[in-house]
Amino acid sequence: NAGVTQTPKFQVLKTGQSMTLQCAQDMNHEYMSWYRQDPGMGLRLIHYSVGAGITDQGEVPNGYNVSRSTTEDFPLRLLSAAPSQTSVYFCASSRTTANTEAFFGQGTRLTVV
Amino acid sequence: GQQVMQIPQYQHVQEGEDFTTYCNSSTTLSNIQWYKQRPGGHPVFLIQLVKSGEVKKQKRLTFQFGEAKKNSSLHITATQTTDVGTYFCAGNAGGTSYGKLTFGQGTILTVHP
Repeated sequence: NAGVTQTPKFQVLKTGQSMTLQCAQDMNHEYMSWYRQDPGMGLRLIHYSVGAGITDQGEVPNGYNVSRSTTEDFPLRLLSAAPSQTSVYFCASSRTTANTEAFFGQGTRLTVV
Repeated sequence: GQQVMQIPQYQHVQEGEDFTTYCNSSTTLSNIQWYKQRPGGHPVFLIQLVKSGEVKKQKRLTFQFGEAKKNSSLHITATQTTDVGTYFCAGNAGGTSYGKLTFGQGTILTVHP
């Protein structure tokens, strides 16, 4: 079972570039979310989705866009990368809501120079 | 917004010593989850607590949820080198925050053999 798959694992961007972090799950989970992890700050919620076609903002949504056209995929788009977006990004999925066990992907380490 | 504070930020122990991390929420939680992240890895679900005053055990790990459902703790008895990693609590407040899981900053545990 693949679980939650994130690509790429590593990425270096120049300031101002855009890119999409991919996230796919094969567990038919309704709930998906994106977090960023910075030293000493835990995991901060960027955006989340409770089902296909439905997305909402988390704690730190500025500079990021998401869409959920299918149950399986939840891509995260950086519109114009900034050094402050250097971080490790995790995608997670849960069977129904944030009240159930979250399964995390392996993470994407992004550096913006 | 909801805040989840976790202490201590770091804990260094000798193998065989006990370890405890504490989690406090600014709001009453509908449930709390605990995750472990090994160095270089992704968060992995350990347990979820739902009821006021709930206590759950997993081998050497004991999890507690406070009576007011605003605090929680994780206690590890007789630590082993395999316990090394970062331990996160994550809470969901329900209501208008239904879809949002808020993580604490994490406690980094180092175990010296």
